[in-house]
Amino acid sequence: AQSVSQHNHHVILSEAASLELGCNYSYGGTVNLFWYVQYPGQHLQLLLKYFSGDPLVKGIKGFEAEFIKSKFSFNLRKPSVQWSDTAEYFCAVNARIGGYNKLIFGAGTRLAVHP
Amino acid sequence: GAVVSQHPSRVICKSGTSVKIECRSLDFQATTMFWYRQFPKQSLMLMATSNEGSKATYEQGVEKDKFLINHASLTLSTLTVTSAHPEDSSFYICSAALLAGGLSTDTQYFGPGTRLTVL
Repeated sequence: AQSVSQHNHHVILSEAASLELGCNYSYGGTVNLFWYVQYPGQHLQLLLKYFSGDPLVKGIKGFEAEFIKSKFSFNLRKPSVQWSDTAEYFCAVNARIGGYNKLIFGAGTRLAVHP
Repeated sequence: GAVVSQHPSRVICKSGTSVKIECRSLDFQATTMFWYRQFPKQSLMLMATSNEGSKATYEQGVEKDKFLINHASLTLSTLTVTSAHPEDSSFYICSAALLAGGLSTDTQYFGPGTRLTVL
């Protein structure tokens, strides 16, 4: 079955530390990849997306992600986190399943950044 | 751009009653809207895919007679939880797909969610 795995459920960092959140998916066909962020008390917001082309994509707020097709991975990175990055991060894969496009979410990674 | 709203944001109802949740795309037309359910500290689970002018496609295990979906226009989809029970208490989130030239390139934009509590 198609699935998305996020390896870290909770991450705690100090401000200015570097961040990398892992995401792997299992699906053999063409996929579109997304990272969404959910700040406390707010709704899901799109951070970045990959459809095709350059596998290194840049998103908002200094985030970037790299698609490595051979590893079925789409890890999220940020060189220096801020306290305001405290949020939950969801990796998602849009795949055509059963004739329909479906967005399959990972379990999420809760990031806490301490000042 | 690409703003999705939901109404109400929070609703409390008695067991056995029905609740309607609205999802609107405010600044774009969405031929496809999606309904998700999010349990505490868990990820989003797709309930159904709603296409304007046609019947919704429900995921396995989701009762279509309990969760009625109507997508009457390109900017509005509604989810009605019929005969709600306490186990239906959850956070319901809708999204609208902004098509970017092909089925394989659509991006979903999410509403703020509706917290349903069934007493």
